[in-house]
Amino acid sequence: GNSVTQMEGPVTLSEEAFLTINCTYTATGYPSLFWYVQYPGEGLQLLLKATKADDKGSNKGFEATYRKETTSFHLEKGSVQVSDSAVYFCALSDPTQGGSEKLVFGKGTKLTVNP
Amino acid sequence: NAGVTQTPKFQVLKTGQSMTLQCAQDMNHEYMSWYRQDPGMGLRLIHYSVGAGITDQGEVPNGYNVSRSTTEDFPLRLLSAAPSQTSVYFCASSRTSVSYEQYFGPGTRLTVT
Repeated sequence: GNSVTQMEGPVTLSEEAFLTINCTYTATGYPSLFWYVQYPGEGLQLLLKATKADDKGSNKGFEATYRKETTSFHLEKGSVQVSDSAVYFCALSDPTQGGSEKLVFGKGTKLTVNP
Repeated sequence: NAGVTQTPKFQVLKTGQSMTLQCAQDMNHEYMSWYRQDPGMGLRLIHYSVGAGITDQGEVPNGYNVSRSTTEDFPLRLLSAAPSQTSVYFCASSRTSVSYEQYFGPGTRLTVT
């Protein structure tokens, strides 16, 4: 079945540091890929997405590129801020396994940014 | 637009009690889903619906029932609560395409003692 594997946390960085959170996936079809963010005490919000190979999703300084050859969708940000402290989830939606009603999530990576 | 709303925000149940978690969306989305979030497990799909009158099981459906009588509402029923159902529950909705993202509610934190 489909699966998403993302790097274990927690990750602790200083403000202005570079961030990478690795995400790899297994899917039978050609999935759409998503990064969601969950701030403390809140629900999940879409951070960015990519729907086909070589697409780059970007938002709020975060970027991720859909790499079909390495089945990866790594999240990066050049300079993190304290306000980026949250849990980040990588997820996929596979058209051969339904659609957007059935996201498959990674286990989440907790990021803490210290001033 | 209120988006996706869930009630209650917090609930404590005793083992064996039943309850319904409410979920509503005002975006006219066809797809709706229920997930549970447990530490170190990410989000796991419980049940989902692709339209009014159509529901199906996800990865962890045991102990839960759903129905979808309207496009807007998708309640989740716990028939006989067990401590293993202590979790945070999220409802989500989306448009009918694999490339569209899901919109999540704020969650319900359920404790079963």
